[in-house]
Amino acid sequence: DAGVTQSPTHLIKTRGQQVTLRCSPKSGHDTVSWYQQALGQGPQFIFQYYEEEERQRGNFPDRFSGHQFPNYSSELNVNALLLGDSALYLCASSLVLGLGTDTQYFGPGTRLTVL
Amino acid sequence: QQQVKQSPQSLIVQKGGISIINCAYENTAFDYFPWYQQFPGKGPALLIAIRPDVSEKKEGRFTISFNKSAKQFSLHIMDSQPGDSATYFCAASTDSWGKLQFGAGTQVVVTP
Repeated sequence: DAGVTQSPTHLIKTRGQQVTLRCSPKSGHDTVSWYQQALGQGPQFIFQYYEEEERQRGNFPDRFSGHQFPNYSSELNVNALLLGDSALYLCASSLVLGLGTDTQYFGPGTRLTVL
Repeated sequence: QQQVKQSPQSLIVQKGGISIINCAYENTAFDYFPWYQQFPGKGPALLIAIRPDVSEKKEGRFTISFNKSAKQFSLHIMDSQPGDSATYFCAASTDSWGKLQFGAGTQVVVTP
């Protein structure tokens, strides 16, 4: 059973560029959330996608956008990169169930460095 | 504004000892409280989670204690092992599959 996978593993960009990060959820999961984790800090929620729509959004500017595909995989796009966008970007997947017994499983993350 | 406050920032414990990490929250709508373990360069991995209808949950060497009236919960790691050396995060959410609010993390070092 494949867990959450993310690509690429590492990425180096320069200020002002655009980046796209990809995530494949755990088998059977239908919801994808994205988090930003700066060095030495806890993950911060960016947004969540369910049924191909943004369901919740954290306190991140519009430079951060996303997409969910019919196969539940997701992309995170960041435009006009700033030095402060350097972080580990984590994808988490979960399953929306009426029982509420499921939880979020995280991928290994994409390390983004902005120079 | 940090909705989940975690302490201590770091702790050192001897092998076989008990590690205790505390978290406090303000939002009474939170209904799900997981703990995650993270090793360097890896994503967080779920350790154990609790809902406010129980005061304690134990899984192996890991125990969550939950105090709803005080809005606090804690993780106890019994018989700590060097392999437990990692960063631990508490989190809270209004549902198990929704937005997680994380604490700042506790770096645990278990000495041989």
